[in-house]
Amino acid sequence: GDSVTQMEGPVTLSEEAFLTINCTYTATGYPSLFWYVQYPGEGLQLLLKATKADDKGSNKGFEATYRKETTSFHLEKGSVQVSDSAVYFCALLMDSNYQLIWGAGTKLIIKP
Amino acid sequence: EAGVAQSPRYKIIEKRQSVAFWCNPISGHATLYWYQQILGQGPKLLIQFQNNGVVDDSQLPKDRFSAERLKGVDSTLKIQPAKLEDSAVYLCASSSPAGLGTEAFFGQGTRLTVV
Repeated sequence: GDSVTQMEGPVTLSEEAFLTINCTYTATGYPSLFWYVQYPGEGLQLLLKATKADDKGSNKGFEATYRKETTSFHLEKGSVQVSDSAVYFCALLMDSNYQLIWGAGTKLIIKP
Repeated sequence: EAGVAQSPRYKIIEKRQSVAFWCNPISGHATLYWYQQILGQGPKLLIQFQNNGVVDDSQLPKDRFSAERLKGVDSTLKIQPAKLEDSAVYLCASSSPAGLGTEAFFGQGTRLTVV
């Protein structure tokens, strides 16, 4: 079935370090891909998205490219800040029935 | 644009009691999702509505959980009777599937503690 696999956390980095959080997926059809972020004590909010192969989503210094050949949507940021500490979820949206398939989430901890 | 509204924000009940959560989606959004998020885990879909019809309720424990979406707008999720393992955050989300990449918008969630 359709699924999303994320790298396990927690991921602990120092401020200004380079970040990569891996996400791979299995899906039939042509899904859209998303990264959501959940800050402590808050709800889920969309960070970025991509709707077709080779699209790059970007927001707040984060980027992710929809790679159909490797079925991946890895999240990257060149220089992380303490305020980026949160849980990051990769998700795909099935174009057939609008079902959202979620990864397990990756907790990111940034130390000053 | 007003966001997804959920109430209450917090609820503490004893096991075997009943509880109900309410969700008001963004105006015009046809798709509504209820998720259960246990601490440290990703969201688990309980039920997905398209207007007032059910698209997917395969993971809804139907012996104790029920949900409805009257008139294709507001929705309620009920648990009766509650168990200790139902302690979680219940998230409501909505989207307007107008095309590719339409994201879901989430409410703040209801944190349920069953004691």
